[in-house]
Amino acid sequence: AQSVTQLGSHVSVSEGALVLLRCNYSSSVPPYLFWYVQYPNQGLQLLLKYTTGATLVKGINGFEAEFKKSETSFHLTKPSAHMSDAAEYFCAVKKTSYDKVIFGPGTSLSVIP
Amino acid sequence: DGGITQSPKYLFRKEGQNVTLSCEQNLNHDAMYWYRQDPGQGLRLIYYSQIVNDFQKGDIAEGYSVSREKKESFPLTVTSAQKNPTAFYLCASSIEREPLYNEQFFGPGTRLTVL
Repeated sequence: AQSVTQLGSHVSVSEGALVLLRCNYSSSVPPYLFWYVQYPNQGLQLLLKYTTGATLVKGINGFEAEFKKSETSFHLTKPSAHMSDAAEYFCAVKKTSYDKVIFGPGTSLSVIP
Repeated sequence: DGGITQSPKYLFRKEGQNVTLSCEQNLNHDAMYWYRQDPGQGLRLIYYSQIVNDFQKGDIAEGYSVSREKKESFPLTVTSAQKNPTAFYLCASSIEREPLYNEQFFGPGTRLTVL
């Protein structure tokens, strides 16, 4: 069965520091990959997605992620954390066009002033 | 503006009662989904529908029911058979036409508390 793991349920970074949120997936074929952000008591908002083509994907709010097939990873990064980045982040995978989306357990990001 | 609306934002239920959560979208999306979110457990799929008058069970459908009589609407009923319904419920929708890797759009959620 397809699965998504996010290493670290809680990550803390200082304001201005690099943000790195990890996502690994299990899939026998290159999947479609997504990162979503959720602010408290709100729905999820798409940050970025990988479908085909360039493996480095840029998203909103200065975030980007790189698809590495050999490592089955899709880690999310941002060069400089801002206080407004504090939220829950979910990695999601869709193996093929007709599959359901599988969400990871989420990583809560705290930004320390 | 197009989007997904969920109502109510907060809902309180007494044990043994059925309650219905509303989800409406004006994005002209074909597919709609209901997820349950509990702290530290991510999102779990309850039901989904890819076309009007058709829906499928997700991973945790027991104690829930849905209907899809209109493309725009996908209400979720939490029945008394659901033993632990206190959670945050999220509705989502997506296009189900080529290309088929489109993302899901989420509503703001309904927080259900059993008293």
